[in-house]
Amino acid sequence: GQQVMQIPQYQHVQEGEDFTTYCNSSTTLSNIQWYKQRPGGHPVFLIQLVKSGEVKKQKRLTFQFGEAKKNSSLHITATQTTDVGTYFCAAPGPTPLVFGKGTRLSVIA
Amino acid sequence: GAVVSQHPSWVICKSGTSVKIECRSLDFQATTMFWYRQFPKQSLMLMATSNEGSKATYEQGVEKDKFLINHASLTLSTLTVTSAHPEDSSFYICSASGQRFYEQYFGPGTRLTVT
Repeated sequence: GQQVMQIPQYQHVQEGEDFTTYCNSSTTLSNIQWYKQRPGGHPVFLIQLVKSGEVKKQKRLTFQFGEAKKNSSLHITATQTTDVGTYFCAAPGPTPLVFGKGTRLSVIA
Repeated sequence: GAVVSQHPSWVICKSGTSVKIECRSLDFQATTMFWYRQFPKQSLMLMATSNEGSKATYEQGVEKDKFLINHASLTLSTLTVTSAHPEDSSFYICSASGQRFYEQYFGPGTRLTVT
């Protein structure tokens, strides 16, 4: 079935460094979504990408959808301690939304 | 807007008892609600999808008779874990989608511990 592979599993960065997480699928995706889950919290919707090659920005966060609509990335510029959490990509699949395993980001001040 | 509440936020119960978890959309009508389960440091696994007034659709491997879902109104869905066992201990999260069906709004989750 539809699987969304996400890497890396963990990322430790110094505050101020950049961070990127990648999401890959073996099949073409109709859309991809990104969520953030703070430690002990629940997932919060960040964005949805629909168009091939789409790039969207939210302050220090840049989201990209690949030309083939099989991969996506989330890039955070100059990380801050408030960026700590797990970032999940999710895409429609056999279930309404299939989540990647997430990338756990820790930021060292 | 788009607030989803969940109650209780945490519960401890004895093995063999049943626990009911409520999920409410506070400021919108949720045509569809989803129930997820999340083990520590793992991703979300969809358990079932429920639409108001109809039977829930369960994912493969999820026991319908054990995890009873009721979606009685456009703002309320309940998950009842029947005859709970320690292996049912987990973080249960509901989500709801409204008019922008692709966007899911998650509740704060319920941490269930079965002793």
